Amino acid sequence: GENVEQHPSTLSVQEGDSAVIKCTYSDSASNYFPWYKQELGKGPQLIIDIRSNVGEKKDQRIAVTLNKTAKHFSLHITETQPEDSAVYFCAASIIQGAQKLVFGQGTRLTINP
Amino acid sequence: GAGVSQSPRYKVAKRGQDVALRCDPISGHVSLFWYQQALGQGPEFLTYFQNEAQLDKSGLPSDRFFAERPEGSVSTLKIQRTQQEDSAVYLCASSLPVRETQYFGPGTRLLVL
Repeated sequence: GENVEQHPSTLSVQEGDSAVIKCTYSDSASNYFPWYKQELGKGPQLIIDIRSNVGEKKDQRIAVTLNKTAKHFSLHITETQPEDSAVYFCAASIIQGAQKLVFGQGTRLTINP
Repeated sequence: GAGVSQSPRYKVAKRGQDVALRCDPISGHVSLFWYQQALGQGPEFLTYFQNEAQLDKSGLPSDRFFAERPEGSVSTLKIQRTQQEDSAVYLCASSLPVRETQYFGPGTRLLVL
């Protein structure tokens, strides 16, 4: 089955700097890759997603890139703000297939003012 | 509009007790998922419904775990004879038909003493 690895497990950056979180997946059939942000005591909230027919997607300060050949995808957050502090999870699934999301282990991002 | 709701938000059970966790998906969402999130880990898939049909229960860890969605809307996850290793946050997610985006509820935090 699918396995998703996420790095780093913790990341601390200065406010205003950029943060990058990387994930790899094992199943070449996976074609949908969402990123979720989880704040303490809350459920995961979708922040951006990408499908395998697209190499990059951007939404304001957040961008995701996908390298299908290498089975890598990454989250980029620019101009970080204190409210970006949270745990971020990547995930992978197969559209119209099993549909279940397989999550990475999470990255605790801390933005230092 | 209203998001996915879950109840109770917190549950403390003595080892051996049965518990029932409820999920109210977003109206019109035919797909419903249950995930288990251990402390400091990413969510792990438990089971998936499309309307009232349970199409995938491969993630249920033992036969003590049972889920149902009899009318295709509200779902209940039941855990019988709870064990300490069942302590976790149980997340529910729902999605539209033929849409991959899953929206998560706030979760139920279960502590088994």
